[in-house]
Amino acid sequence: EAGVAQSPRYKIIEKRQSVAFWCNPISGHATLYWYQQILGQGPKLLIQFQNNGVVDDSQLPKDRFSAERLKGVDSTLKIQPAKLEDSAVYLCASSLKFSGALSYEQYFGPGTRLTVT
Amino acid sequence: AQSVSQHNHHVILSEAASLELGCNYSYGGTVNLFWYVQYPGQHLQLLLKYFSGDPLVKGIKGFEAEFIKSKFSFNLRKPSVQWSDTAEYFCAVINTNAGKSTFGDGTTLTVKP
Repeated sequence: EAGVAQSPRYKIIEKRQSVAFWCNPISGHATLYWYQQILGQGPKLLIQFQNNGVVDDSQLPKDRFSAERLKGVDSTLKIQPAKLEDSAVYLCASSLKFSGALSYEQYFGPGTRLTVT
Repeated sequence: AQSVSQHNHHVILSEAASLELGCNYSYGGTVNLFWYVQYPGQHLQLLLKYFSGDPLVKGIKGFEAEFIKSKFSFNLRKPSVQWSDTAEYFCAVINTNAGKSTFGDGTTLTVKP
């Protein structure tokens, strides 16, 4: 089966510019996650969707970050305006679903490496 | 707040040595536990997982982990490492109440041939 697709793979922008990342999850996966991974740290959950509804966005800096998952399939994450501290790898992951006591394995995409100068 | 702590940031071993990587989490409710691995140049992939039942779980490539509820720990072990185990290892927790996912900061394992 095809894996999680992300684009672009690399992006360099200047601070105060805007940027958007795209993610296409594995077909049939209801749950989609966006993570931010700063160098030397583990992935930090930004937002989690179940179909096209938001399950958790408590760590999403909503003044500059936004995400949507139209039609419950692919998703976009936007940063506007970017700051130097947004330099990181942005990972998208998907899983079959979340249903209480049973959490399904997350499948990760290759990530987008963002450099803000 | 939910958190995951991995105590070893960088571990260096010789081939055939035994491995144990520590993982502790903080969350008062029921959790599902995972270890993910990222080999150089590759995506994060699942190594093993614990949902319920036998607290000793076995994963791919000879890895295993033991869930000790009283210690909030889920340590990863392998009796004899190989050079190909060189990678970064992440412990992760999902709470079964809200489904929130939290990762540790990872442990870089270097295995010398």
